[in-house]
Amino acid sequence: AQTVTQSQPEMSVQEAETVTLSCTYDTSENNYYLFWYKQPPSRQMILVIRQEAYKQQNATENRFSVNFQKAAKSFSLKISDSQLGDTAMYFCAFIAGGGGADGLTFGKGTHLIIQP
Amino acid sequence: DSGVTQTPKHLITATGQRVTLRCSPRSGDLSVYWYQQSLDQGLQFLIQYYNGEERAKGNILERFSAQQFPDLHSELNLSSLELGDSALYFCASSHTGRKEETQYFGPGTRLLVL
Repeated sequence: AQTVTQSQPEMSVQEAETVTLSCTYDTSENNYYLFWYKQPPSRQMILVIRQEAYKQQNATENRFSVNFQKAAKSFSLKISDSQLGDTAMYFCAFIAGGGGADGLTFGKGTHLIIQP
Repeated sequence: DSGVTQTPKHLITATGQRVTLRCSPRSGDLSVYWYQQSLDQGLQFLIQYYNGEERAKGNILERFSAQQFPDLHSELNLSSLELGDSALYFCASSHTGRKEETQYFGPGTRLLVL
């Protein structure tokens, strides 16, 4: 079974700073997909960024980028020029590729607070 | 707005009762997933349907069941409710249910069992 660990329950940074959220996972699969979802106070789950394990290049979406280290099974999220609207719970999620059916496995989440 | 709709937004009921949560996927999506978010268990995958057929089962209790109808909307039925079933229930959808596809989440149904 796959597990996803987010070791930072809560983080707080000042507006405009850069912050990195950590995520590690455990799997014996070689083909898989990783995601970061954001859950603001509205509770809506919003996709932030995704990474395919077979791609060496780190994914980037505007101010959001990941540092994917496959050998270390690490998938951290970097938010640059943080904004007040980035305040939310952030969840790292994993799904194994290949055959068989499955849903996303989520970490416990990191509560990110952006201070004005 | 993800395009996934869920009703009702909130539901308050008593222990022992039965409730039905409804989900409509994004236009064109054939696969629906159900997740439970609780304080104790975090976010857990419950079950997946694709084009009316069950495709995958996660940590779904026997008291819970789901189905996907010909118009592709899905319902999650929760019966013999217990206090511990209080949670936020999400529906997500993707085009064909393949693992590499992004799952788009609905706004959730908040269930409170008293």
